[in-house]
This record gives sequence, structure tokens and C-alpha cells, in this order.
Amino acid sequence: NAGVTQTPKFRILKIGQSMTLQCAQDMNHNYMYWYRQDPGMGLKLIYYSVGAGITDKGEVPNGYNVSRSTTEDFPLRLELAAPSQTSVYFCASMGGGSGLNTEAFFGQGTRLTVV
Amino acid sequence: LAKTTQPISMDSYEGQEVNITCSHNNIATNDYITWYQQFPSQGPRFIIQGYKTKVTNEVASLFIPADRKSSTLSLPRVSLSDTAVYYCLVGDISSASKIIFGSGTRLSIRP
Repeated sequence: NAGVTQTPKFRILKIGQSMTLQCAQDMNHNYMYWYRQDPGMGLKLIYYSVGAGITDKGEVPNGYNVSRSTTEDFPLRLELAAPSQTSVYFCASMGGGSGLNTEAFFGQGTRLTVV
Repeated sequence: LAKTTQPISMDSYEGQEVNITCSHNNIATNDYITWYQQFPSQGPRFIIQGYKTKVTNEVASLFIPADRKSSTLSLPRVSLSDTAVYYCLVGDISSASKIIFGSGTRLSIRP
């Protein structure tokens, strides 16, 4: 299984440009998440989804948009990129449900630089 | 969501046992305690999860006292490869809506 796949791995954007970070999971997980991580800091939740067609804001949603049209895919859209959005972006998925060992699986990240 | 508090950093030596404590005074009845490990330039990786008492797997042990207001991640006989950031998370996994990370504990292992 591929798990959680993020593309691209690296990207340089100019201020004001837009782009979509792709995230796909092949584990049939209901829950998916987008985080950003600034250097030396912890992860901040941007948006999350509990199933296809359902999304909600996290801690730092401003400047981003998401959609969840299928169970597998959860793209993150940056409109009008700003230097403050320079960060590493991680996508994660989790199956959900009760019981122990309900773990989230993370992708390898997308390193984004806005210049 | 219960707020968690952990040490910012810890140092230890190869072969030692390392214990990282997390405080979560406002833990709710349905909350579980989950620990993740993150290496540089990688996404976090699940280590262990528990509700009460003690949980052990091939990587670590998790000790949770009866009042559940804190928990301790125990790493036996650490090696250099255990150098990482460790995150303690508290939440209701049955609803599993938001997963919020704190600042974590940066563990450095020396030869």
C-alpha cells in the first residue's frame, strides 16, 4: 500500500500565485487532515474532513481552501500566496472509530517556499 | 480538547531509559492519550496509545495513573536513532474530529 501520498514534494511560488497541494490515501480512511509546520515549531491544523463532502476549519485556515469530493483525495488550495505561507505542509488520514490504536498516517510533506 | 503540557526538550545517552511526561489536567472521560514521533523532514509517526494503566508495544510503554491527569512515555534503552520530537495528544478517538498537536518534546540522544 502506498499509504498517504503528497505531491509535489517541493515547490517555489511567487507572491500572488496560486497552487493546489495534492493528497491521496489508499486506506479507505474517513478522516483526512492538512497541517503546516514552520521551522522548529509544532504542527498546526489547517483544515480537516470527516468524510467525502464534509470539511471544516482547523486552527489556521485563513488563506487556504479544501474540498473532499472523494474518500481518497483531499486537495489543499492556496490562493494569492504570501511569504507567511512558506512552510512544510503535511497531509494525514485516519480510519476513525472506537478502540485502541486508532492512528493517523502522515504523508512525507510538501515543502513550499513563497518568494 | 484537553490541553497538554510537555517539556520543551530533553537530553539523554545511548542505552538509557527515557521517560517523557505529559500533563493533561482537563482530560475528558472519553479521551485517549496518543504519542507520535517525528524525525526531521518527515511526517509524524504513531508510537502508542492508551486509556488507563499501562500499555506496552515493541517500541515503547505508556504509563497512565488512575486520575489520568498525566501520562509518561517510556523509551527503553534509547539509541541515537531515537533523537526526534515526541508529541502527546489527548482526544476522543471515537469522534476523531480534530487532531491538535502541541509543541512536543525535542529529545536528543548522545553517544
